[in-house]
Amino acid sequence: QQQVKQSPQSLIVQKGGISIINCAYENTAFDYFPWYQQFPGKGPALLIAIRPDVSEKKEGRFTISFNKSAKQFSLHIMDSQPGDSATYFCAASSGTYKYIFGTGTRLKVLA
Amino acid sequence: SAVISQKPSRDICQRGTSLTIQCQVDSQVTMMFWYRQQPGQSLTLIATANQGSEATYESGFVIDKFPISRPNLTFSTLTVSNMSPEDSSIYLCSVRGTGGEKLFFGSGTQLSVL
Repeated sequence: QQQVKQSPQSLIVQKGGISIINCAYENTAFDYFPWYQQFPGKGPALLIAIRPDVSEKKEGRFTISFNKSAKQFSLHIMDSQPGDSATYFCAASSGTYKYIFGTGTRLKVLA
Repeated sequence: SAVISQKPSRDICQRGTSLTIQCQVDSQVTMMFWYRQQPGQSLTLIATANQGSEATYESGFVIDKFPISRPNLTFSTLTVSNMSPEDSSIYLCSVRGTGGEKLFFGSGTQLSVL
């Protein structure tokens, strides 16, 4: 119940394309869903986050879509750029300090 | 946001030795967190370090293997003791932002055990 399942494990997208990463959770007590971006040799950096009271949140080229009934949320990267090549982690928390992280998606955007 | 300095950034160690990782934050924080990221894996919480009290360890992690110090509100150390090759991972320090929910990470310590 504490797991967050993330897919795909890896993703290759052409420059200018849309990258989509999906996550699913079981615990309905989760109420905060962040996405993190991690470049090699760096720690994860918060990219965008959403609460379950909204179905979508957009910040620049990054959009989170949230489906509460399906217990799924996804990250969309519009107009993907080679600089977006990184590993992306979804996560969930329930108001405590504990985050449950997905297994990560390694994104490669081809120039 | 919080600026977190972590060192060393990487190290190569021999089996059976210990390594202490330092984490310095640019502001006072109540809780500091230590995560492990094994190669190609997700982030796993090792323990939560509170100033003035014993660290709280997650299931599967014990104080004898991962002793933690938290001498003040801006600093913590994690020691990886009696290392084996299975301890080869990235170790990350993190803190919550002033808003309470956002989690910020240091740049990590990449540990290789031979």
